Amino acid sequence: EPEVTQTPSHQVTQMGQEVILRCVPISNHLYFYWYRQILGQKVEFLVSFYNNEISEKSEIFDDQFSVERPDGSNFTLKIRSTKLEDSAMYFCASYYEEGEAFFGQGTRLTVV
Amino acid sequence: AQTVTQSQPEMSVQEAETVTLSCTYDTSESNYYLFWYKQPPSRQMILVIRQEAYKQQNATENRFSVNFQKAAKSFSLKISDSQLGDTAMYFCAFMKLGGTYKYIFGTGTRLKVLA
Repeated sequence: EPEVTQTPSHQVTQMGQEVILRCVPISNHLYFYWYRQILGQKVEFLVSFYNNEISEKSEIFDDQFSVERPDGSNFTLKIRSTKLEDSAMYFCASYYEEGEAFFGQGTRLTVV
Repeated sequence: AQTVTQSQPEMSVQEAETVTLSCTYDTSESNYYLFWYKQPPSRQMILVIRQEAYKQQNATENRFSVNFQKAAKSFSLKISDSQLGDTAMYFCAFMKLGGTYKYIFGTGTRLKVLA
């Protein structure tokens, strides 16, 4: 069964450092997403990406965040200068046009 | 804007019993999907069941079934013959068809199955 893979599974970073979270979506999918889940809270939409550009972003997705699909397979989320409150589980998801989105297993980001 | 509400932060059920988790949503859209996701301690998001809004028949997947009331904007999940492995966080989610197909999640219900 096709799956979305995310790396790393856990990343610890110093406050102020840049981090890049990586995702390999399902190959024939057209829509890509990042969601965030702060521990114990709900899963929140960050950004959607279609046709090589951002199609929608939430108010959480400020100038510190950026997304890229550099090579047609990887989909990355960059946080330029991490803050303590960026500590969360980050989920990548991809979607075709029928049924449900497929979620990766998540990257746990810890900012210290 | 769409909203999803799960009014039960925590629930518990005895093993082999039946439990129902509630979800209500608000939307002016007519074409959408609704989902229940399970999140075990590993925190992976696992699809439990999907309901297309245009279908009147309630979706069923083995021990899991939904009660979809479109007019009432209600989408509850029934788990029959509860098992210890059902212990997890359960999220209800809404997806509008068209546009970006993003999900809107509820706040979740933590379910504990008791031996």
